[in-house]
Amino acid sequence: SAVISQKPSRDICQRGTSLTIQCQVDSQVTMMFWYRQQPGQSLTLIATANQGSEATYESGFVIDKFPISRPNLTFSTLTVSNMSPEDSSLYLCSVALGNGLDGYTFGSGTRLTVV
Amino acid sequence: AQSVAQPEDQVNVAEGNPLTVKCTYSVSGNPYLFWYVQYPNRGLQFLLKYITGDNLVKGSYGFEAEFNKSQTSFHLKKPSALVSDSALYFCAVRVRAKTSYDKVIFGPGTSLSVIP
Repeated sequence: SAVISQKPSRDICQRGTSLTIQCQVDSQVTMMFWYRQQPGQSLTLIATANQGSEATYESGFVIDKFPISRPNLTFSTLTVSNMSPEDSSLYLCSVALGNGLDGYTFGSGTRLTVV
Repeated sequence: AQSVAQPEDQVNVAEGNPLTVKCTYSVSGNPYLFWYVQYPNRGLQFLLKYITGDNLVKGSYGFEAEFNKSQTSFHLKKPSALVSDSALYFCAVRVRAKTSYDKVIFGPGTSLSVIP
């Protein structure tokens, strides 16, 4: 199974600023996923990032607010731009194992608090 | 619309008793189903999956799940609950997105409390 490292593990940010979250995988993967988990809520998919192409965003999420990079098969970043307190969440990176047939692995997450 | 439902926000069970956490799904095609557990202030840990084959799937930490196609359910079970099983449990299903890639959508979660 893949091991995912996410940085930072947590951060407290001022509103109006931006934070970039890094996701590093110890093996090459085709698809990487970014999720948001607001306090007391379930996971919501933000976007899917394939290497070499633009990320595909889910309804309600836009590239200007959540730009994503995917420069190679082991790394991706998610930026939360122009933050507001409503962006305070746990952000999780995920990858598909065996094209998804072996499940999906998650990083430990980045807990973001916007003040 | 493709979705996952977990009808119980909270499940309480006494230690040593069997536990069940319910999940129903609505997807087109054959479902790929998963259970994950989340401990406080932690990421998600994979418990088990159903892709095809036997309807009873065994997973980590003594958990198992029963796939029932006619009832479109995938309930999580454990014969004897431990206090350490207290956590948030998520049922998830892999669906085909519009742009022909697969993604995973999650149920709302069920908080399990095992009472000593």
